[in-house]
Amino acid sequence: DIQMTQSPSTLSASVGDRVAITCRASKTINILLAWYQQKPGKAPKLLIYKTSTLQSGVPSRFSGTGSGTEFTLTISSLQPDDFGTYYCQRYDTYPLIFGGGTTVEIK
Amino acid sequence: EVQLVESGGGLVQPGGSLRLSCAASGLTFTAYWMAWVRQAPGMGLEWVANIKQDGSVIHYVDSVKGRFTISRDNAKNSLYLQMHSLRAEDTAIYYCARLYCSGGTCYGAFDVWGQGTMVTVSS
Repeated sequence: DIQMTQSPSTLSASVGDRVAITCRASKTINILLAWYQQKPGKAPKLLIYKTSTLQSGVPSRFSGTGSGTEFTLTISSLQPDDFGTYYCQRYDTYPLIFGGGTTVEIK
Repeated sequence: EVQLVESGGGLVQPGGSLRLSCAASGLTFTAYWMAWVRQAPGMGLEWVANIKQDGSVIHYVDSVKGRFTISRDNAKNSLYLQMHSLRAEDTAIYYCARLYCSGGTCYGAFDVWGQGTMVTVSS
């Protein structure tokens, strides 16, 4: 199975900072990759699908890029509500695999 | 408002069985693939199983094959997960989730989630 590795595992940044989270696949995958945000005690929320398409209602400060084996979620200007854990997920084939998560803390 | 509400979780002994349910409302249930995704305490997300709109196609993660069965009752707008031979490593919050569909095509990303139901396997 293709594994998904996220980095960093945690990051601490200030409001207004530009933040980037990377997701690396163990083999080349196509663009069927999604990003989720999960807050403590809550279900995940879909942010981006198909590598770069913003889900309806998600603020435009979130963006996704990537191809091949490396994908990035960028928050252009970190806001207080952006704390939580972010997961990537490939869905080009089965099994569907999530990355290990990146916890974002606000300084 | 689209809503998914899970139920049926609880404490069960190793080797035991449990049946989870997910009641869907506010959506055309028959238009969507549905899924179960779980999260062990303090851990990341793990996809468990998917089922096609009419139940004709099903996929499982290897670790639950032969032990778990996903099913749906479209007349009741409900999704189920029958779990047998439960192990300690099955302890998790189990989420019901809808697969994202656009233009008649459904993808393996999850755009609607329930609040989850906790399953604890312990003696």
